[in-house]
Amino acid sequence: AIRMTQSPSSFSASTGDRVTITCRASQGISSYLAWYQQKPGKAPKLLIYAASTLQGGVPSRFSGSGSGTDFTLTISCLQSEDFATYYCQQYYSYPLTFGGGTKVEIK
Amino acid sequence: QVQLQESGPGLVKPSETLSLTCTVSGGSISSYYWSWIRQPAGKGLEWIGRIYTSGSTNYNPSLKSRVTMSVDTSKNQFSLKLSSVTAADTAVYYCARGAGHCSGGSCFDYWGQGTLVTVSS
Repeated sequence: AIRMTQSPSSFSASTGDRVTITCRASQGISSYLAWYQQKPGKAPKLLIYAASTLQGGVPSRFSGSGSGTDFTLTISCLQSEDFATYYCQQYYSYPLTFGGGTKVEIK
Repeated sequence: QVQLQESGPGLVKPSETLSLTCTVSGGSISSYYWSWIRQPAGKGLEWIGRIYTSGSTNYNPSLKSRVTMSVDTSKNQFSLKLSSVTAADTAVYYCARGAGHCSGGSCFDYWGQGTLVTVSS
């Protein structure tokens, strides 16, 4: 199985900050990567697919980049509603696998 | 608006079989991949497997020997059975739709709210 490693596992930030989350795959996955946001007690929400394509309805302050093994999710100007846990997921091969998550907390 | 709703027992005894159903409303179940994903409390997400409306399946090898999925297009439902459960299977179980714009429908654009299944005697 392809292992997805996210860093950091958690960090604190302030509203208005630019934040970047990293996801690394244990082998090349081309651009078959999705990002999700999960808030406590809620299901994950798809933000980005194909590494950089924004899902419909997702604010443009979210962006994704990368291909191969290294990927990033960037939030250009953190809003209060963005404090959540973020997961990457590869869909290059089965089994589909997720990263361990990055929790973005309020500083 | 597509909605998914999981249903099934919230408590299952060790060694027994966990059974969950996901009901899809607001859209047809046909021509999509449908997955089950679980999340132990405070932990990350684990993909269990998926089923296409034709009935073809892909399972996570880590669970394959214990998993069975089925689909009932007439009821717009699909189901999960996980046999020989242990405490390690205690988790929130989500059903999710494979997004048509992701290769092979392998990312997830609609999710159920999740249902907590506890394995305990």
